[in-house]
Amino acid sequence: AQKVTQAQTEISVVEKEDVTLDCVYETRDTTYYLFWYKQPPSGELVFLIRRNSFDEQNEISGRYSWNFQKSTSSFNFTITASQVVDSAVYFCALSEFDTNAGKSTFGDGTTLTVKP
Amino acid sequence: DSGVTQTPKHLITATGQRVTLRCSPRSGDLSVYWYQQSLDQGLQFLIQYYNGEERAKGNILERFSAQQFPDLHSELNLSSLELGDSALYFCASSVATGESDTQYFGPGTRLTVL
Repeated sequence: AQKVTQAQTEISVVEKEDVTLDCVYETRDTTYYLFWYKQPPSGELVFLIRRNSFDEQNEISGRYSWNFQKSTSSFNFTITASQVVDSAVYFCALSEFDTNAGKSTFGDGTTLTVKP
Repeated sequence: DSGVTQTPKHLITATGQRVTLRCSPRSGDLSVYWYQQSLDQGLQFLIQYYNGEERAKGNILERFSAQQFPDLHSELNLSSLELGDSALYFCASSVATGESDTQYFGPGTRLTVL
């Protein structure tokens, strides 16, 4: 069975600090997808990134970066120079490869609070 | 605005009742996903449709069913409702199921079962 663990339940930082959200996953599949989603206080869900298990290259998008390490089954998310607008719950997820984003298993989420 | 619409926004009903949640994907998106978010269970994937066909099934209860219609909108039917079905139900859409496809989420339907 697939499992996603986000050990950090809550993180609080001051604006402009860098912050890393951890995600550790378990799967018996050799191919799979990993995702990060954001849920701001307004409640909507926002897709941030999909990464397939073949590609261990780090991904950077503006202030966001993702570090995928298959050897440690981790897919960590770093926000550089955090801003108040980054305050949200962040979910990591794992899905079966052949269904793409379908059949996903989610972590419990990490609540990030960025204080001014 | 993601372009995905969900109706209704809020729904209050009683145990044992049946409700239908509706999702209209972004124009041109063929794939629709349904998720449930509750305090007890967290975020759970329910079911995915692609161009009218069921593509993947998650932890969807037998009391729940869904379909995607020829115009690509989707409906999630919840029957014999229980208190534990109270949750936020999201749908999302994507162009297809390709690796570069972004998922776009609707605002959700908040279901309260009394």
